[in-house]
Amino acid sequence: AQTVTQSQPEMSVQEAETVTLSCTYDTSESDYYLFWYKQPPSRQMILVIRQEAYKQQNATENRFSVNFQKAAKSFSLKISDSQLGDAAMYFCAYRPNAGNMLTFGGGTRLMVKP
Amino acid sequence: DTAVSQTPKYLVTQMGNDKSIKCEQNLGHDTMYWYKQDSKKFLKIMFSYNNKELIINETVPNRFSPKSPDKAHLNLHINSLELGDSAVYFCASSQGLAGVYGEQFFGPGTRLTVL
Repeated sequence: AQTVTQSQPEMSVQEAETVTLSCTYDTSESDYYLFWYKQPPSRQMILVIRQEAYKQQNATENRFSVNFQKAAKSFSLKISDSQLGDAAMYFCAYRPNAGNMLTFGGGTRLMVKP
Repeated sequence: DTAVSQTPKYLVTQMGNDKSIKCEQNLGHDTMYWYKQDSKKFLKIMFSYNNKELIINETVPNRFSPKSPDKAHLNLHINSLELGDSAVYFCASSQGLAGVYGEQFFGPGTRLTVL
């Protein structure tokens, strides 16, 4: 069974600074997808960024980028120039290529200090 | 226009009651899901339907019964509610069972409180 682990229950960053959220996963699959979701206080789950495991190039979406280390089964999220609106719960998620079931990590609460 | 909508957004009820949560998506997707987020924010899939057929049924008490009248709707009915059912329930949808990205679009969640 696949597992996703986020070892940081809470993180804090100063506005305009950079923060990295960690995620590791365990799978025997070679082809899969990884995601970071943001859940602000409104509860809405918002997709931040996705990564295909067969791509070596790290995904980037504006201020959000990932460091995908397939051999280490690590998928961290870097948020640059942090903004107050980035404060939220962040969830790492895994999906095998041949299935549609998302497995989520336990989440990291990110606080942004003005 | 809301892509994935759920009703109600809040539901407070007594133990032992039966309640339903409705979900509708207007994205033209053929796969829909129910997730449960517990008080510790842990998210876990409960069910997945593809073209109105049950695909995934995780270890969920059979007091929970999903019903998909058509591809755009997936409702969740819960019988004999228990205190431990208190959680936020999310509906989601995607196009296909897999696919290049398989991105799932989530509804706003329904916070269920069982007293």
